[in-house]
Amino acid sequence: AQSVSQHNHHVILSEAASLELGCNYSYGGTVNLFWYVQYPGQHLQLLLKYFSGDPLVKGIKGFEAEFIKSKFSFNLRKPSVQWSDTAEYFCAVNGGYQKVTFGTGTKLQVIP
Amino acid sequence: DAGVIQSPRHEVTEMGQEVTLRCKPISGHDYLFWYRQTMMRGLELLIYFNNNVPIDDSGMPEDRFSAKMPNASFSTLKIQPSEPRDSAVYFCASSLGGTGLLGYEQYFGPGTRLTVT
Repeated sequence: AQSVSQHNHHVILSEAASLELGCNYSYGGTVNLFWYVQYPGQHLQLLLKYFSGDPLVKGIKGFEAEFIKSKFSFNLRKPSVQWSDTAEYFCAVNGGYQKVTFGTGTKLQVIP
Repeated sequence: DAGVIQSPRHEVTEMGQEVTLRCKPISGHDYLFWYRQTMMRGLELLIYFNNNVPIDDSGMPEDRFSAKMPNASFSTLKIQPSEPRDSAVYFCASSLGGTGLLGYEQYFGPGTRLTVT
């Protein structure tokens, strides 16, 4: 069975700080990987996704993620966060023909 | 497209009452998912459908929960009888393709915030 781990449950950063949120998955075969964002009071929206090709994926709003197969990781990064990035971030994976599995989420709070 | 539509947006009910949540997926999408989100348990997949057929309901917490998809444009999630621990935000999502290796994105609705008193 596949699973996803997000080790940081709550992250607090000042504006302009760099961000890296960890995501590790367990699945032995080919996977699709996603990062979703949920702004306060809103629904989940896709931030970026990887399913093949360049392991460095660029998404909306300056976010990027790097798929490192040897480490089973798909960490989310942003060089300089803004107050508007305050949200909850979910990593998700689906391998083979399985349903998508979401991580438990990381709450990011950006302080102006 | 209007996106995934859910109703009601907020529901407050008393313990023991029946609650019905509704979802209209994006036209043309063949997968529909029901999720529950709470502070304690995060985002949980309850059930999903493919072409109106329930594929995996292993996430449905107990027999009080049931879901149907009578046609491609409508699904319901019913709780009968409701209990205070059912209080959560319930999201519906749809996708074109739900499994496989093509990176299918799920589109989420705005959610229904359910409060059972």
